[in-house]
Amino acid sequence: DAGITQSPRHKVTETGTPVTLRCHQTENHRYMYWYRQDPGHGLRLIHYSYGVKDTDKGEVSDGYSVSRSKTEDFLLTLESATSSQTSVYFCAIRRDETGELFFGEGSRLTVL
Amino acid sequence: QKEVEQNSGPLSVPEGAIASLNCTYSDRGSQSFFWYRQYSGKSPELIMSIYSNGDKEDGRFTAQLNKASQYVSLLIRDSQPSDSATYLCAVSNDYKLSFGAGTTVTVRA
Repeated sequence: DAGITQSPRHKVTETGTPVTLRCHQTENHRYMYWYRQDPGHGLRLIHYSYGVKDTDKGEVSDGYSVSRSKTEDFLLTLESATSSQTSVYFCAIRRDETGELFFGEGSRLTVL
Repeated sequence: QKEVEQNSGPLSVPEGAIASLNCTYSDRGSQSFFWYRQYSGKSPELIMSIYSNGDKEDGRFTAQLNKASQYVSLLIRDSQPSDSATYLCAVSNDYKLSFGAGTTVTVRA
């Protein structure tokens, strides 16, 4: 158990509304990640963070923003949700000694 | 070309047989290689990490890496129904992991 908690676990929202997903870790890892998973596409990196207030884009960052004001929390925000953002979102932390990633339980988002 | 490609599934094997999963990658600078197992509706779970050429065994799982051929594989020996899942190959050359689309394995009792 890597001590990662995602919230909410399930959310249904309407097109055009803002949505924030939260990832909380208890082990003080430097790197945190947000991935989305869609059928046929596998896991795709949205954004990642390498420290407080240090973030960078992944391969599918359009329409998403992130913030990390504390080591333990990494927030993913959809400013104006679209149906194409219906997906399962996974947060992950990186264990620096091995480069291994460990995932949270996922947040299923449906945009109607 | 995708960064990480896995053999297309689904793969169906009888109980007790060997399941063989393959993965190729495009970035020659890749240094770390991982296999994850994902049950339906669950999050990916790390099952193997491999960093140098050759074989690495962990219980019924064996990972094989050939950096010259840009190829990594996973063998599951004595397959059990509980091994039925999607297996994801992941490759990294720094602090970002790139994932393949996954291969779904079904073990027939």
